[in-house]
Amino acid sequence: QQQVKQSPQSLIVQKGGISIINCAYENTAFDYFPWYQQFPGKGPALLIAIRPDVSEKKEGRFTISFNKSAKQFSLHIMDSQPGDSATYFCAASMTGNTPLVFGKGTRLSVIA
Amino acid sequence: IAGITQAPTSQILAAGRRMTLRCTQDMRHNAMYWYRQDLGLGLRLIHYSNTAGTTGKGEVPDGYSVSRANTDDFPLTLASAVPSQTSVYFCASTPEQGAITGELFFGEGSRLTVL
Repeated sequence: QQQVKQSPQSLIVQKGGISIINCAYENTAFDYFPWYQQFPGKGPALLIAIRPDVSEKKEGRFTISFNKSAKQFSLHIMDSQPGDSATYFCAASMTGNTPLVFGKGTRLSVIA
Repeated sequence: IAGITQAPTSQILAAGRRMTLRCTQDMRHNAMYWYRQDLGLGLRLIHYSNTAGTTGKGEVPDGYSVSRANTDDFPLTLASAVPSQTSVYFCASTPEQGAITGELFFGEGSRLTVL
């Protein structure tokens, strides 16, 4: 059973456009939802994260929107740039030393 | 520069051979993890260790073993490699507080090909 479902698998966006990646989860005990960014040949790195006590978190051009009732969260990249081209993973975990569970990833390509 | 070091960077291995992927961190993080990354399947947890001397099984532990003799090192061993273990392997760590926040610090990965 996949605990975190991520879509789309791949995404092509024009430079300056908005990139949107969605994730859904099943386990209501999850209380931490990070997004990781991975460039080719590198390990993933934390991009932004949210807890369910807020519905939105913004850091620069990156925003997480969280819908607790729907058990969904999404990443929005405003004014997408070619340098944002990477693979993005959503993840979830629960308090108490439990490992992160990752979605399958979205390969984003931002074209000029 | 502090971080996670993985070795080897890449390796081609004959099926049936034993292989150990090394992982060392100098951040004094308590928890360490091994993930494998496969196209279309994302990152899947193999084994983890919340602190030195303890280990746990992840989502895909079969065919792999780990040990955590000290805080810094967390080697992953394939006792008898099979082609389905061809993958990119990532070691990661998190401080004890990070285990609650979920922030993982990843190494650069080890690309393993089993023929």
